[in-house]
Parts: sequence; C-alpha cells; structure tokens
Amino acid sequence: NAGVTQTPKFRVLKTGQSMTLLCAQDMNHEYMYWYRQDPGMGLRLIHYSVGEGTTAKGEVPDGYNVSRLKKQNFLLGLESAAPSQTSVYFCASSYSTANQPQHFGDGTRLSIL
Amino acid sequence: DAKTTQPNSMESNEEEPVHLPCNHSTISGTDYIHWYRQLPSQGPEYVIHGLTSNVNNRMASLAIAEDRKSSTLILHRATLRDAAVYYCILRDMIGKRGGSNYKLTFGKGTLLTVNP
Repeated sequence: NAGVTQTPKFRVLKTGQSMTLLCAQDMNHEYMYWYRQDPGMGLRLIHYSVGEGTTAKGEVPDGYNVSRLKKQNFLLGLESAAPSQTSVYFCASSYSTANQPQHFGDGTRLSIL
Repeated sequence: DAKTTQPNSMESNEEEPVHLPCNHSTISGTDYIHWYRQLPSQGPEYVIHGLTSNVNNRMASLAIAEDRKSSTLILHRATLRDAAVYYCILRDMIGKRGGSNYKLTFGKGTLLTVNP
C-alpha cells in the first residue's frame, strides 16, 4: 500500500522562485493537511482541506497557497520562496478531523537559498 | 488550547518495557488522547488513541488515569526500531469557537533512546 506519497523528496530553491509540492493519497480520505516542521518547534499546520474543491487556512498559512482539485491530491504552492520557508514539509490525510488517525508522508526537505 | 507536558527524553534497554508519561491537566471531557511517534527522517506515525478506558493495539498500550489528567504510553518490549520521538497530543479546534474541524498540535515530544 502506498498510503501518502510526497513529491519531491528534496529540493533547493533560490529566493523568489516558485514551486509546487505534491501530495497524493490512495486511502480515499476526505481530509488532507500540510504541515511544516522546523527544528525545536514541532509540526505546525499550514493549510488543510475537508474535501475535494475545499481548502482552509491553518496556523501558518502566509506565503503558501493550496489546491484540492482531486480528492486524492493536495498541492502546496510557494509563489515567491523566502529563506524563512526552509523547512521539512509533511502531508497527511485522514477520514475526519475528529478522532481518526492521520497518515503522514515521509516529507519534502526544502531549502531556500 | 489543550496542552500536554512530556519529558524531553527517556532511555530504555532493548527488550525491556518502556513507560512514556504525559500530563494533560486541562483536558476537556470530550478530548481523546492521541499518541504518535516519529522515527528519524520519517513522517509521524499514529500509535494509539483513547478517551477514558485503557487501550491496547499491536504497537502499544495506553493507560489513562481515572481523572484523565495524565496518561502513559506503554511499549511492552522495546526494540531498537522503537527509538523515536513520541508525541502525546490533544486535538485543538481550528479557527473560531463553534467550528467543527480540529487539528493535532505536535509539541516537542519525548525522544526515546533504546540501548542494545
């Protein structure tokens, strides 16, 4: 079972460049999430989606955009990358936000120079 | 926001039981207690969750205090593959009160070292 797959696994960008991180899940989950993890700060929620065609802001949404055109995919975009966005990005999915387990991908390590 | 308190680190020996404590004194009556773990260079992995009663699954057991202000994750026989950061989490509401969506707030967790 693939579960949650994130693409790419690593990327280096220059300040001002744009890119899109792709998250794909094959578990037919309604809910999907994007988190970032920085040293000593735990995971913080960037954006999330409660279903196809819907997105909403999390704790730290500034500088990011998302889209959920298909149920199985959740895209995270950086329009103009900044060094402060250097982080490890994790995607997750779940059946609901209530008390269902979240399933995580292995992360995308992004460096902004 | 509901919060949890965990020790920064713990150490165990291989094949011995491990008890990972968590305090959550501000827990509400409807909050489930969730445990996740994160192995090096991997995403978090669900371990177990529970409300009031003790819970068991193939990975671990969760013992919840009667007043629900603390809980303990029990790994019955630690292996080297159990070395990870363990997170005890209560869900937080996303956005304004009255909403229906929740998120898991990951703190710093407990770094478990397993000695061979």
